Amino acid sequence: AQSVAQPEDQVNVAEGNPLTVKCTYSVSGNPYLFWYVQYPNRGLQFLLKYITGDNLVKGSYGFEAEFNKSQTSFHLKKPSALVSDSALYFCAVSLTGGGNKLTFGTGTQLKVEL
Amino acid sequence: EPEVTQTPSHQVTQMGQEVILRCVPISNHLYFYWYRQILGQKVEFLVSFYNNEISEKSEIFDDQFSVERPDGSNFTLKIRSTKLEDSAMYFCASSLDVNEQFFGPGTRLTVL
Repeated sequence: AQSVAQPEDQVNVAEGNPLTVKCTYSVSGNPYLFWYVQYPNRGLQFLLKYITGDNLVKGSYGFEAEFNKSQTSFHLKKPSALVSDSALYFCAVSLTGGGNKLTFGTGTQLKVEL
Repeated sequence: EPEVTQTPSHQVTQMGQEVILRCVPISNHLYFYWYRQILGQKVEFLVSFYNNEISEKSEIFDDQFSVERPDGSNFTLKIRSTKLEDSAMYFCASSLDVNEQFFGPGTRLTVL
């Protein structure tokens, strides 16, 4: 079985400050890891992925995430937050060779304030 | 940029009625999926479809659910006899391979 935990329901950060949205995962094998963002009344937009290779992956809109195998984490980061980054962020995992099913976390609401 | 489209955006139905949710995946993609998101909850996997057959399904995807790719472009989810608890946002997704899945904007299903 595979699972994802996002321990924070909401993260508040001031514009211009760095942001981190936490994610830990559990799979019985090698994971594929993803971050998606959801704006109000919209679908899920892909941000970035870790498949293999470099543990630090860069994605859309200046976001990046670091895969840490020993801590089974895949935290989302951005050096300087924007008000327009305010949205719901989902971490997801699939299992290599496991048919591509995505298992999502419960989501973290990011609020960036002026 | 190619995108996944879904129709309708909002479907209201009476309990016990059949509904069909429609999706047009990205044209060169090979894998197709349905997920749902009950209001305020996380996104849940329903079913994946590859090479004209179901490749995986969740325990949610019982006999009341079916999927079809009738004409090589559309991908549909049918719920035969809707229940109140089927009310949710239903997302279609497609992917070329094991990399990122591209999601449609969703269909909000309301069962009265």
